[in-house]
Amino acid sequence: AQSVSQHNHHVILSEAASLELGCNYSYGGTVNLFWYVQYPGQHLQLLLKYFSGDPLVKGIKGFEAEFIKSKFSFNLRKPSVQWSDTAEYFCAVILSSGSARQLTFGSGTQLTVLP
Amino acid sequence: EPEVTQTPSHQVTQMGQEVILRCVPISNHLYFYWYRQILGQKVEFLVSFYNNEISEKSEIFDDQFSVERPDGSNFTLKIRSTKLEDSAMYFCASSEYASRQTQYFGPGTRLLVL
Repeated sequence: AQSVSQHNHHVILSEAASLELGCNYSYGGTVNLFWYVQYPGQHLQLLLKYFSGDPLVKGIKGFEAEFIKSKFSFNLRKPSVQWSDTAEYFCAVILSSGSARQLTFGSGTQLTVLP
Repeated sequence: EPEVTQTPSHQVTQMGQEVILRCVPISNHLYFYWYRQILGQKVEFLVSFYNNEISEKSEIFDDQFSVERPDGSNFTLKIRSTKLEDSAMYFCASSEYASRQTQYFGPGTRLLVL
């Protein structure tokens, strides 16, 4: 069964620091990859997604992620974080073939940005 | 921008009672989903629904659970005979098409079983 690992459970940064959150998945086939964000008291929102094509994808609010197939990774990056980026970040995958539609989520990374 | 909505935002119930969680998916979406997140754990898939029938379900989604689209807008999750371990945040999601499409999530219903 596919699984998603997010190794950083809690990351604390100061404003303007650079961010990289790790995401690895375990599935040998073709996957679609997502990063969702959950701001305090709000619902899961899509940050960015990768289906095919350029492995470097750009999302909202200055976030980007790079799909490295050989490493089964889809790390999230932002060059300079803001206090408003404080949230929980979830990596998720879905099989791109067959009828599977269920998202498999990582355990999430809580990001705290200090002003 | 269209959003998935869920009611109620919070639900407290006694063990053994039945609860119905309601969701209004985005209007032109065809696929609907329920996920749950037990406090401190991962978001887990429960069930997907298309064309008025379940298309996939996880091991969690046993006979205690059922889903329904009672009218053209609502999508419900019924939990019969609730147990303490059913306490969780339940998220509804919808997507326009199948696996290559983004799933849009609602704000969740926090269920507490006492």
